[in-house]
Amino acid sequence: QTVVTQEPSFSVSPGGTVTLTCGLSSGSVSPSYYPSWYQQTPGQAPRTLIHSTNTRSSGVPDRFSGSILGNKAALTITGAQADDESDYYCVLYLNSGIWVFGGGTKLTVL
Amino acid sequence: EVQLLESGGGLVQPGGSLRLSCAASGLTFSSYAMSWVRQAPGKGLEWVSGIIGSGGSTDYADSVKGRFTISRDNSKSTLYLQMNSLRAEDTALYYCAKGGLSGSFYMDVWGKGTTVTVSS
Repeated sequence: QTVVTQEPSFSVSPGGTVTLTCGLSSGSVSPSYYPSWYQQTPGQAPRTLIHSTNTRSSGVPDRFSGSILGNKAALTITGAQADDESDYYCVLYLNSGIWVFGGGTKLTVL
Repeated sequence: EVQLLESGGGLVQPGGSLRLSCAASGLTFSSYAMSWVRQAPGKGLEWVSGIIGSGGSTDYADSVKGRFTISRDNSKSTLYLQMNSLRAEDTALYYCAKGGLSGSFYMDVWGKGTTVTVSS
């Protein structure tokens, strides 16, 4: 069974840069997994930030960027702001037609 | 602007059935894949099921395979999720999400969700 891994929690200082990662329990993440990233605050639906590795969704500021770093997908937030404090989820597309979400990263800005 | 509106959630006993709907607007519905994603209370996101634009191909998470059926009516721009043999662990907020055009793999627009509670 494929498991998608994310850091459970991360903290960043206001104005700082943070990189969240999304890996596989076995194997490497590549663009063929079409990694996407979502931001979710309590009580709200997920907001799409990045899809297809590095395509920013409409209206998403360029402080958010996606990439492949080593064997993982990565979401980098530059110039962190207080309202970036959220849960961040990645999802990978398996060739079998199945999507698998990571467990999410709780980002604290302090 | 693309909008998705889920409905059909509610309280159901274990072993019961429920059908969720997701009405879409602002897009050529038949051109896009669609998915259902759920979130149990206090937990993360879980992809449940997906369907291509034509409705000709469907996929399911192992946790719901054989119990849930995804379908769509492109003439009504509506996505459905028929849920049978419901279990307590199916309790969650169910979101529908718009996918990409054929050959594109992503979920980019989300509804606000409908709540399903399975309890006696």
